[in-house]
Amino acid sequence: QQQVKQSPQSLIVQKGGIPIINCAYENTAFDYFPWYQQFPGKGPALLIAIRPDVSEKKEGRFTISFNKSAKQFSLHIMDSQPGDSATYFCAASRGDYKLSFGAGTTVTVRA
Amino acid sequence: GAGVSQSPSNKVTEKGKDVELRCDPISGHTALYWYRQSLGQGLEFLIYFQGNSAPDKSGLPSDRFSAERTGGSVSTLTIQRTQQEDSAVYLCASSLGGVRGEQPQHFGDGTRLSIL
Repeated sequence: QQQVKQSPQSLIVQKGGIPIINCAYENTAFDYFPWYQQFPGKGPALLIAIRPDVSEKKEGRFTISFNKSAKQFSLHIMDSQPGDSATYFCAASRGDYKLSFGAGTTVTVRA
Repeated sequence: GAGVSQSPSNKVTEKGKDVELRCDPISGHTALYWYRQSLGQGLEFLIYFQGNSAPDKSGLPSDRFSAERTGGSVSTLTIQRTQQEDSAVYLCASSLGGVRGEQPQHFGDGTRLSIL
């Protein structure tokens, strides 16, 4: 039973484009929603996180949008660069507890 | 180093053998997690340690899997009588834990386990 559904599985954009990754969850007890970036052969690295009392959060070129009523959240990568090419995972948890991960999105940014 | 350290980075073993995977969390982190990442898949929770509390073993896929954490620091994940479906990357993460709120989990680079 996958508690966090992520789409698309992969996407390709040109440099400067805005990849958008979407996630949906079922468990209304979730109150912490991080995004992780993973490069081949490396562990996931925390990119940005949001709590449900905030509708949007920006850190550099990365923005999370959160829709509590729809139980959906998304990641936007502004002015994407080839170095942003990686796999991105959304996740959710209840407080400081085990994370439920989406299946991941492989983003390719072409120069 | 300041990050989560896992060893070995790669492990190849024959079906039926036992394996031990090690995780050194970030110093001072009381919470420790093990996850499994199969090829092209998301991360699957295995087990969670928080301080001296009983571990949450709800994600362990079978009784062939076990884990311990000694002295509230280093953790070892043991897989007995390995099967080919155990082939995956095993990731360890740690966090400050114990306080409700944003306590980001920091991941190691994992152990890539291959069962022949």
